[in-house]
Amino acid sequence: EDQVTQSPEALRLQEGESSSLNCSYTVSGLRGLFWYRQDPGKGPEFLFTLYSAGEEKEKERLKATLTKKESFLHITAPKPEDSATYLCAVQAEDSSYKLIFGSGTRLLVRP
Amino acid sequence: NAGVTQTPKFRILKIGQSMTLQCAQDMNHNYMYWYRQDPGMGLKLIYYSVGAGITDKGEVPNGYNVSRSTTEDFPLRLELAAPSQTSVYFCASSYGAYQNTEAFFGQGTRLTVV
Repeated sequence: EDQVTQSPEALRLQEGESSSLNCSYTVSGLRGLFWYRQDPGKGPEFLFTLYSAGEEKEKERLKATLTKKESFLHITAPKPEDSATYLCAVQAEDSSYKLIFGSGTRLLVRP
Repeated sequence: NAGVTQTPKFRILKIGQSMTLQCAQDMNHNYMYWYRQDPGMGLKLIYYSVGAGITDKGEVPNGYNVSRSTTEDFPLRLELAAPSQTSVYFCASSYGAYQNTEAFFGQGTRLTVV
């Protein structure tokens, strides 16, 4: 069964304190791994897609990496506005393009 | 660009009532999805559609129905609402081909069944 597990469930950082979020997955043939950001009361906002092991994507203070079993979202020198829930999802190699989500990591960055 | 638009944003239903959650996208995406999100949980797929006239069940379809008569619209119908259907519902769409497979989400409908 396809499954996504994210850790930690919650993370508190001081502004400027770098850290990483983990997403481990099992899927019968990975088409892509996706990272989303979700603010309270909003829909998920697309951040990155990773398609193959070894691939990396960057956007401002965020960097996503992918191996055959897990992905990391590295946050460098975070700011309070980076506070949000970060969701990881995988897409299997079938015809539906549907996403299987983890339960997310709630990130709080304190000034 | 409006993207994915969901209506209503909030709704309170009584047990046994029915309602339709509306979803429309203006990106000409073939693929559309309905997810529900319970507090502290990830999103669970209810139904999805790979094109007009084609729908299929996701992980948690019981108590719901969908239709897809046009590319743009994908309404979700709740029949005989139950407290277990209290959740936030998100509609999403994707182009679904090559490396343009990311899904774009609406702002959600918060539903409470009392």
